[in-house]
Amino acid sequence: AQTVTQSQPEMSVQEAETVTLSCTYDTSESDYYLFWYKQPPSRQMILVIRQEAYKQQNATENRFSVNFQKAAKSFSLKISDSQLGDAAMYFCAYQRGETSGSRLTFGEGTQLTVNP
Amino acid sequence: SAVISQKPSRDICQRGTSLTIQCQVDSQVTMMFWYRQQPGQSLTLIATANQGSEATYESGFVIDKFPISRPNLTFSTLTVSNMSPEDSSIYLCSVAWGQGVGNTIYFGEGSWLTVV
Repeated sequence: AQTVTQSQPEMSVQEAETVTLSCTYDTSESDYYLFWYKQPPSRQMILVIRQEAYKQQNATENRFSVNFQKAAKSFSLKISDSQLGDAAMYFCAYQRGETSGSRLTFGEGTQLTVNP
Repeated sequence: SAVISQKPSRDICQRGTSLTIQCQVDSQVTMMFWYRQQPGQSLTLIATANQGSEATYESGFVIDKFPISRPNLTFSTLTVSNMSPEDSSIYLCSVAWGQGVGNTIYFGEGSWLTVV
């Protein structure tokens, strides 16, 4: 079974600074997808970024980028120019590469605080 | 991406009663899922809602406790039966969006249930 580990229960960053959230996973598969979701106090799960394992290029979405190290099974999220609205719980998630879409396996989450 | 609406968004329930959560998607989707998020924890998959057939439940979840319906490709319900305080959680509907391999999973706003 796949497992996802987020070793940082809490992180904090100063507004406008950069922060990196860590995620590691364990799988024997070669085809899979990785995600970062953000959950603000409203509790809605918001997709931040998506990475295909077969792509060597790291995914980016505006101020959000990932460092995907397939051999090390590491998938960290970098948030640049942090804003107060970035404060939330961040979850890393793994998805098997199946033809019809499949369930997600989540990490335990990292609570990010942004200090003004 | 799909627009996913859940009702109710929040409710306080009496012990021993049952509550049905509705999930409506604005487009037809193949895969729909129900997740549970207990207080302070990550998300756990309850079941995959299958259109026209019985849901596929994950280990630890049973149909008698969490009956699920999926009458068509845009709608599903989750019932939490005979509730106890341990069922106090956020219940999230999600859908797999896209074609082919590696569908992205999007979430509804969640239904926050408190059992007293």
